[in-house]
Amino acid sequence: NAGVMQNPRHLVRRRGQEARLRCSPMKGHSHVYWYRQLPEEGLKFMVYLQKENIIDESGMPKERFSAEFPKEGPSILRIQQVVRGDSAAYFCASSPLPGAVDEQYFGPGTRLTVT
Amino acid sequence: KQEVTQIPAALSVPEGENLVLNCSFTDSAIYNLQWFRQDPGKGLTSLLLIQSSQREQTSGRLNASLDKSSGRSTLYIAASQPGDSATYLCAVRRGNNRLAFGKGNQVVVIP
Repeated sequence: NAGVMQNPRHLVRRRGQEARLRCSPMKGHSHVYWYRQLPEEGLKFMVYLQKENIIDESGMPKERFSAEFPKEGPSILRIQQVVRGDSAAYFCASSPLPGAVDEQYFGPGTRLTVT
Repeated sequence: KQEVTQIPAALSVPEGENLVLNCSFTDSAIYNLQWFRQDPGKGLTSLLLIQSSQREQTSGRLNASLDKSSGRSTLYIAASQPGDSATYLCAVRRGNNRLAFGKGNQVVVIP
């Protein structure tokens, strides 16, 4: 059973460009979470999605950031008009139906560098 | 808002010593607590998950305890090895399914 897949692993964008980060959850998992790790900071929750639904986006910046998890295909985190402060590691996690005992499994992350 | 604190932020120990890493959280209404390992430039590897009804979990040389009432968890690593050098992250989950992370304990085991 393959783990959580993220691509690309490294992404370099110039200021003003768009960044698209992809996450394929583990087989059988229908819940996806995105977290961001800024330099010298802990991981911070961004958004929680189920297939075709955004459940909780309270951790997402209000502008330029969006996320989706379509019926078919990976979850996408999209950052428009990137700025240097967006440089960070973005991690995706997945879980099966959430419950009191469920565990979130993390992907290897996408390291975004904005030049 | 759930705050998670990990002390010490960094520590170095000689090989063979036992490691004790501490995690505290402000809101005791948690569903579970996970300990992760993160190597430089890498993703997160889950080490142990403790349900809110449990007091501890063990896996090999690792043992994690949970005292929900006092908002504390401790990760013990017995007989440390150089390969244990990494950052260890504590994360708590509440009813909203999101994980709240500490900043980590950065560990160096000296051969």
